[in-house]
Amino acid sequence: KNQVEQSPQSLIILEGKNCTLQCNYTVSPFSNLRWYKQDTGRGPVSLTIMTFSENTKSNGRYTATLDADTKQSSLHITASQLSDSASYICVVSSRLGFGNEKLTFGTGTRLTIIP
Amino acid sequence: DADVTQTPRNRITKTGKRIMLECSQTKGHDRMYWYRQDPGLGLRLIYYSFDVKDINKGEISDGYSVSRQAQAKFSLSLESAIPNQTALYFCATSAAGLAGHTGELFFGEGSRLTVL
Repeated sequence: KNQVEQSPQSLIILEGKNCTLQCNYTVSPFSNLRWYKQDTGRGPVSLTIMTFSENTKSNGRYTATLDADTKQSSLHITASQLSDSASYICVVSSRLGFGNEKLTFGTGTRLTIIP
Repeated sequence: DADVTQTPRNRITKTGKRIMLECSQTKGHDRMYWYRQDPGLGLRLIYYSFDVKDINKGEISDGYSVSRQAQAKFSLSLESAIPNQTALYFCATSAAGLAGHTGELFFGEGSRLTVL
């Protein structure tokens, strides 16, 4: 069964500090992995996509890594800001053929930045 | 204005009532989806459509139906609502990616449904 597990479930850090969120998956065959940010009361918004051949990708203060061998991804946030308070969702895509694809969503990490 | 618009944003109803959630998009995407989000669970796919004449069941379609009235409109219906359908519902769109791959999902703001 395809699964995506995220840790920690929740995290509280001081403004300006760094943090790392984890995503472990058992999805097969692997196609790609996306990180989404979901602000409270809003829909998720894509932060970055990682394909099989990519190890690291940055989007401003967000840096995602992927280890396809161990089936792990991380999202590192540098110099956190109050606006980073949100849930971060890891989504792994499994392609079963042309036009036939399954997305497996993690349950998310709830990040709270305190001043 | 939002690219993906859901109505209503909040709805409280009673068991047995028929409910329709509507979604419209201005992104010009062919693919549209309905997801359900519950506390402690990941987003789960209810139905999806790749064009106006295409409707496909997702992993939790029982108790739900959909209609793709036009490329820009995709509605979700609960024919007879029950309390365990209380949840946050999201509409999403995507363009087709390389080799039919799903591109980035663009979500609406969500419709919070409470069934008493």
